[in-house]
Amino acid sequence: AQKITQTQPGMFVQEKEAVTLDCTYDTSDPSYGLFWYKQPSSGEMIFLIYQGSYDQQNATEGRYSLNFQKARKSANLVISASQLGDSAMYFCAMREAEDSSYKLIFGSGTRLLVRP
Amino acid sequence: DAGVIQSPRHEVTEMGQEVTLRCKPISGHDYLFWYRQTMMRGLELLIYFNNNVPIDDSGMPEDRFSAKMPNASFSTLKIQPSEPRDSAVYFCASSSTGEEGQPQHFGDGTRLSIL
Repeated sequence: AQKITQTQPGMFVQEKEAVTLDCTYDTSDPSYGLFWYKQPSSGEMIFLIYQGSYDQQNATEGRYSLNFQKARKSANLVISASQLGDSAMYFCAMREAEDSSYKLIFGSGTRLLVRP
Repeated sequence: DAGVIQSPRHEVTEMGQEVTLRCKPISGHDYLFWYRQTMMRGLELLIYFNNNVPIDDSGMPEDRFSAKMPNASFSTLKIQPSEPRDSAVYFCASSSTGEEGQPQHFGDGTRLSIL
């Protein structure tokens, strides 16, 4: 079974509007972390935001926020006031604590295109 | 602060040649990861090290692939002999233990093309 599922291969959003990128996960570990990365066309992987499984509040980082719904096992990324520079691939990833490993499991990504 | 440094950025070589990719992790980070990214398979973890020791190499595709970390500031991923299907972007990433939520910091990747 897929541990991280990103069901939107591609999305469009109008500049200055908000957009939500979906991510669902599957784990039996009570302690885990969820990460979002951005990969622009230049290829580098940029860390955006983190949510811990025990965090009471949804994570926020500037224009990025996480809509964390633990019971639904979803951790959707919300980008507010989209900018042209937000056009990129976005990856959701999970790290499980049960084996003391620091491995990240990545989803397949969502390609976001911001329209002017 | 210097991030993860990978070299070369691009490598084009002929099938059968040996390829060596290099990585310098962020100073003080005790975990180092090698990933491969392709259109077909996405991001795959190949191997990772903790304190220079390989912990899990189950993602290494074949015996043609090998990775070493002789010290805390340097790692190599070697492919010998290379094949066209090895063409991909190879990323190195590092992270530190301790505070939860420490992300993996990625290098800019090496774009490898095997002709």
